Amino acid sequence: DSGVTQTPKHLITATGQRVTLRCSPRSGDLSVYWYQQSLDQGLQFLIQYYNGEERAKGNILERFSAQQFPDLHSELNLSSLELGDSALYFCASSEGGLTASYEQYFGPGTRLTVT
Amino acid sequence: AQKITQTQPGMFVQEKEAVTLDCTYDTSDPSYGLFWYKQPSSGEMIFLIYQGSYDQQNATEGRYSLNFQKARKSANLVISASQLGDSAMYFCAMIFTGGGNKLTFGTGTQLKVEL
Repeated sequence: DSGVTQTPKHLITATGQRVTLRCSPRSGDLSVYWYQQSLDQGLQFLIQYYNGEERAKGNILERFSAQQFPDLHSELNLSSLELGDSALYFCASSEGGLTASYEQYFGPGTRLTVT
Repeated sequence: AQKITQTQPGMFVQEKEAVTLDCTYDTSDPSYGLFWYKQPSSGEMIFLIYQGSYDQQNATEGRYSLNFQKARKSANLVISASQLGDSAMYFCAMIFTGGGNKLTFGTGTQLKVEL
């Protein structure tokens, strides 16, 4: 158990809908990262937050947005869902956001299926 | 652009034998970190081992060791005394300090441990 929690574990929804994925980082970790794992794209970084502020952005679609709240939990919002958004979405956390020496610990993931 | 290459889509190893999973990387950034993660069929991402670019010694964690050859830009994972529970997908990943600490992943190697 990494200490990172994600809810829900599974989500099935229809095209055009909007969903929210939730992540609670390990106790004491200030950074939260979101990754998408799909069959065609592999594992891709979406976005990072550090202590409530956006730190880095990757291949995140405009239809997707995220935020980190004062209690450090984070939410990833996916809207106008398309079939291609079906994937495993991981949240990871680490101690800090300013150096490369911090291991990232992953949550169990949320499997999103868009039908 | 930074890139991680894992050239072995699948590998087989006999129980109790050692196995090496290959990973090469490409970066011009002098400061970076290299990670290996294990993803069993259940889907979670399990952190295995970390190597910093300035670390003088190869990292080891129990049965896992990282064969870091900086000049060749390789970071191979060595698993000693393979166990059936080692059967999983293994991902090499890299953090670049100039990249906001996002992890860039390789395509993975599927390892199967046989009796």
